[in-house]
This record gives sequence, C-alpha cells and structure tokens, in this order.
Amino acid sequence: DTGVSQDPRHKITKRGQNVTFRCDPISEHNRLYWYRQTLGQGPEFLTYFQNEAQLEKSRLLSDRFSAERPKGSFSTLEIQRTEQGDSAMYLCASSLGGDRGPAFFGQGTRLTVV
Amino acid sequence: QKEVEQNSGPLSVPEGAIASLNCTYSDRGSQSFFWYRQYSGKSPELIMFIYSNGDKEDGRFTAQLNKASQYVSLLIRDSQPSDSATYLCAVKGGGQAGTALIFGKGTTLSVSS
Repeated sequence: DTGVSQDPRHKITKRGQNVTFRCDPISEHNRLYWYRQTLGQGPEFLTYFQNEAQLEKSRLLSDRFSAERPKGSFSTLEIQRTEQGDSAMYLCASSLGGDRGPAFFGQGTRLTVV
Repeated sequence: QKEVEQNSGPLSVPEGAIASLNCTYSDRGSQSFFWYRQYSGKSPELIMFIYSNGDKEDGRFTAQLNKASQYVSLLIRDSQPSDSATYLCAVKGGGQAGTALIFGKGTTLSVSS
C-alpha cells in the first residue's frame, strides 16, 4: 500500500491519559499535515511540516498537543491529558511540494475520550 | 476570523443532471481554492484546485472562481449515484497566511437513480 498510513485506526482512552498517533506519508512527499475533524464539520488545521521542520501550528491548538517529524519521514501527534473535547477523527495528509495543499489523506485515527 | 461558507444541503439531483455546489469565503487575500469529496466514514479526496479567475475543467468536474465576488463553485456534469458524498470547499490564504487550508463544513450531495 503506497498511500498515507495512520496508526492506530481507533483509540479509546480515559480522560487525563496521554495518547500518541503515528502517520506514515507517501514516501517521496516532503509536506505533511495534521487535521482534526468532528461530525458535521470540515477538517480543522492543526499543524504542518515541510521535511522535518514544523513550519506552522494552529493558534487554536493548546499546549497539550505536540507533533514531531524526525528525519522528515513519519510523524507523531501526541495529546497530553486528554479531554472529552478532544474526541474527533485525526487526519494526516501529505503532498509533494507545489501549492496544492494536502493532496492525499490517510484513513484517520478516531479518538474517543471517555 | 477567516471563514468558508457552504450550504450544508442536502442537495438532491437526479442521475444525469448537473449538480452545482457553491462556496463563499471571507478572506479577500485568498489565493488557492480546493474541492474535496468525502464519502461517509472515509477521508477527504482532492478533486480539483483552482488559482485563477474563470473555469477549470477536469472530466465531469468544472471549478469556477470569481475572486471579486469571493465565490467558488463546483459543477458536476452527468451526475452519477457514485457522486453522492459530502463536498468540501477549502481555501488557502495568500501573503503571510501560511499553508493552512480553511475548510467549509461541506455540502452533502445525493444523486438519485
């Protein structure tokens, strides 16, 4: 499978716990994006990497969220001290240069905080 | 606050008809415009992007952009039941707006056979 891969597909966690999600972009894509989507809403931008550099982070994102992309390959998104409001689908997308935005989305990680 | 507005629908059209999906945006400095299709329970798929005023055609899809009116639309010709999905409009700002796309809430299209 040469698409964007996300792991896990589903995560149920108790409020206050930390969770970490992984995204493997399409191999030659240098741009990687994280979005969050709740039911009935469009995706909401979280953060963007070009290679290993995190170039943009949503001002709406609290300090409980952090993302990394070591060596410009896979990326991880960590949420600390989860809250019920963090329940959502977390989407990763990648693209190759240009100005096309997130071209290919992964299947997402559905987070449920109980 | 930058906003992207779409009619949530549902928009219902018969098979073979033209479906017209509309989107308005608030940031006059926006430079790039995108349409995504999202089937229920699936991730968004990029259909088209457009940068310049006018029309851009790709198969049965035509994107139309009018920057003066801050309006972008997507036409789907010869609509098929398989086109039934939610269509997301997304806008990227210009200048120092960075790379973040701002998405609308999407319009649900239903094509009946």
